[in-house]
Amino acid sequence: AQSVAQPEDQVNVAEGNPLTVKCTYSVSGNPYLFWYVQYPNRGLQFLLKYITGDNLVKGSYGFEAEFNKSQTSFHLKKPSALVSDSALYFCAVRYTGGFKTIFGAGTRLFVKA
Amino acid sequence: SQTIHQWPATLVQPVGSPLSLECTVEGTSNPNLYWYRQAAGRGLQLLFYSVGIGQISSEVPQNLSASRPQDRQFILSSKKLLLSDSGFYLCAWRRTGESYSPLHFGNGTRLTVT
Repeated sequence: AQSVAQPEDQVNVAEGNPLTVKCTYSVSGNPYLFWYVQYPNRGLQFLLKYITGDNLVKGSYGFEAEFNKSQTSFHLKKPSALVSDSALYFCAVRYTGGFKTIFGAGTRLFVKA
Repeated sequence: SQTIHQWPATLVQPVGSPLSLECTVEGTSNPNLYWYRQAAGRGLQLLFYSVGIGQISSEVPQNLSASRPQDRQFILSSKKLLLSDSGFYLCAWRRTGESYSPLHFGNGTRLTVT
């Protein structure tokens, strides 16, 4: 079965420190992987995606993600966190030719000043 | 550029009343359309998706239904709301024919069933 796991309900980081939000997936085939961010009472905003090629993907607002096929992981990273990065982050997966996007449960990021 | 509109933003309805949430997309044609529900500010549950006019796929059996009367219009309905229907409903679209294209979400409707 297709699934996405975000093992941390919450991640706390001090402003200026690097941040990592973890994501693993189970797959049969080649996945397309996505990260989205959600601010309170808003829809999800697309941050970045992995299709193929370079394992390090760069996205919006200074975020990047590293695809690791052997570990079936797609962790979100940022070298220096901002207080404004505090939000709910979702990892998602879709399969080649598929119509459905499967989301993880979400990880709440708190960046403390 | 493409935009997605979803309304209303908030809705309070009594148990047993009908529901109609509307979503429209501008600036693209024949999009794939989706309805998700988010409970308690957490994970997203896919309710329905549509790949074309009149074509609806249901993911979760429940008292909700969806319709796509026009290419860029997606409607979520219920004849009689239950307390358990409360939640944050999100409409989304993505380009057809591109499996790698991301979803683009509306700002959601917060539904409270009392």
